[in-house]
Amino acid sequence: DVKVTQSSRYLVKRTGEKVFLECVQDMDHENMFWYRQDPGLGLRLIYFSYDVKMKEKGDIPEGYSVSREKKERFSLILESASTNQTSMYLCASSSSRDRRYEQYFGPGTRLTVT
Amino acid sequence: GESVGLHLPTLSVQEGDNSIINCAYSNSASDYFIWYKQESGKGPQFIIDIRSNMDKRQGQRVTVLLNKTVKHLSLQIAATQPGDSAVYFCAERESNDYKLSFGAGTTVTVRA
Repeated sequence: DVKVTQSSRYLVKRTGEKVFLECVQDMDHENMFWYRQDPGLGLRLIYFSYDVKMKEKGDIPEGYSVSREKKERFSLILESASTNQTSMYLCASSSSRDRRYEQYFGPGTRLTVT
Repeated sequence: GESVGLHLPTLSVQEGDNSIINCAYSNSASDYFIWYKQESGKGPQFIIDIRSNMDKRQGQRVTVLLNKTVKHLSLQIAATQPGDSAVYFCAERESNDYKLSFGAGTTVTVRA
């Protein structure tokens, strides 16, 4: 079974703090994604990566950065957390060898910025 | 901009009845569609998919229908069970694109 793990299930941070969200997948997938999930808005893509050290902006990259130094790990960074970044963050991965590019999701990190 | 969206944010269903969850999309370049189920406290999980060269696909208790003429996608769940209570998302993808675009989601609640 594909397993995508996220470093924390719940996180509370203060405004202005630097926040790191970590995601690890164990299936040697090339592609990794970070989404945020908000009520009524579905899942919105923040950043994605299709290879080590490669990254591309998604639909809402402002206020975020990412790092992919190893194939299995994709980190989301909030340089200076703000209250409007309070959300559920979901990481996903997919294989380029899978013609469907099916995405497998982690359990999510619920981040609260106070 | 083009987007994928669901018609209703919530759906309440009697246990044992059939459920129909609808989704409208506007990107005519999309050629692949997926339904995901997200249970409370978990990430979304794949349910069923359909390519644009098909109009119907069946799985175990689920059927996805695709009407490209009106850009409409639906998920039918037969004999809905309490374990079907979840948020359901439709997603679409353009050919050769890694990325998915998700709809807003429909929360399904099954009444005993």
